[in-house]
Amino acid sequence: EIVLTQSPGTLSLSPGERATLSCRASQSGSGTYVAWFQQKPGQAPRLLVQGVSNRATGIPDRFSGSGSGTDFILTISRLEPEDFAVYYCHQYGRAPLTFGGGTRVEIK
Amino acid sequence: QVQLQESGPGLVKPSQTLSLTCTVSGGSISSGSYFYNWIRQPAGKGLEWIGRFYSGGHTMYNPSLDGRVTISVDTSKNQFSLKLSSVTATDTAVYYCVRDRDCWGQGTLVTVSS
Repeated sequence: EIVLTQSPGTLSLSPGERATLSCRASQSGSGTYVAWFQQKPGQAPRLLVQGVSNRATGIPDRFSGSGSGTDFILTISRLEPEDFAVYYCHQYGRAPLTFGGGTRVEIK
Repeated sequence: QVQLQESGPGLVKPSQTLSLTCTVSGGSISSGSYFYNWIRQPAGKGLEWIGRFYSGGHTMYNPSLDGRVTISVDTSKNQFSLKLSSVTATDTAVYYCVRDRDCWGQGTLVTVSS
């Protein structure tokens, strides 16, 4: 099983700042099959990025994904008030599919 | 636009079988090349993939659930279902049905308790 470790656990930032979220895989089997989700309280996760760097439909361009091998990053270039939420990385390249433990982006 | 909706009992007794159904609207479950997944999330915790079927017919399950999972499809009703046997309190969670990664149901809370 590919274990995904997200860091930091919590990121305290102000609106307008840049957020950098990390996701490290325990092995390289996920290939380019890495996605990122945003989740707000009481809501289902929302897909932001898949295939490492491809934004989902309707996702603003302040969200960008990058990385390769075992290290992946989600960058939010300028935080908007609605971006404060929990973010999960996800690998769907090798079964069982797995998720990271999440990074909470909170208002500083 | 495709929409998914979970349904089923919100309370299940320990050792019994949890049964949920996902109804797909706005598109046929038997057309296209999609993975239909079940994913769960205990309160305040992260996401766990339970299993999936491919619209071509293949199913796959998370081995961490020790063979307790069955996913089946009813194309006549445009639904797919989850059965999780021998449940315990650790199976208490919000259960989501998901098409690929971008189309999620709203989720349904299932509590395991006597």
